[in-house]
Amino acid sequence: KNQVEQSPQSLIILEGKNCTLQCNYTVSPFSNLRWYKQDTGRGPVSLTIMTFSENTKSNGRYTATLDADTKQSSLHITASQLSDSASYICVVRDPGRAGNMLTFGGGTRLMVKP
Amino acid sequence: NAGVTQTPKFRILKIGQSMTLQCTQDMNHNYMYWYRQDPGMGLKLIYYSVGAGITDKGEVPNGYNVSRSTTEDFPLRLELAAPSQTSVYFCASSYLFDRAPYNEQFFGPGTRLTVL
Repeated sequence: KNQVEQSPQSLIILEGKNCTLQCNYTVSPFSNLRWYKQDTGRGPVSLTIMTFSENTKSNGRYTATLDADTKQSSLHITASQLSDSASYICVVRDPGRAGNMLTFGGGTRLMVKP
Repeated sequence: NAGVTQTPKFRILKIGQSMTLQCTQDMNHNYMYWYRQDPGMGLKLIYYSVGAGITDKGEVPNGYNVSRSTTEDFPLRLELAAPSQTSVYFCASSYLFDRAPYNEQFFGPGTRLTVL
């Protein structure tokens, strides 16, 4: 069964610090991987998408990396802000399933403290 | 554009009651989805639709029903609510066309349902 595992489950950092969130997946063959940000009480919103040929992609203070050989991705947040407090969800498209089906990780809950 | 809207935001049901969760999108997306999110778990697909009049089961369809009479609307029906259906429900939509692997799913704000 295709799975997406994220670590850590939760993380507390001080404002201004950096952090890195990890995602390991077993989905095969690989199509693409997205990182979503989910604020409390809201739906997930896409931060970035990684395809097979991409190793690194940045979106402001967010930088995602992908190692398709080891089936690992990371999301690095630089100079964290209070507004970064949210859950970050790693989502892998499963091309073996019809209809643009996705496999979701359990998320990392990040809390940024002043 | 409002994107994906869901109503209600919160609901408490008694065991055995029924209700419909509403979902509407104004992006003219052909694909729509219903997910449930339990604490600490990844979103699980309940049902999806590839267009008006076409629906199909996802991973966890038992206890739910859907219909898709228009492109915009995709209601989720709970019959005989059970405590196991206590969860946060998200509706999503995407525009999928052939051989396009990158289509993003856009999510609504969610409905928090408690069954007591």
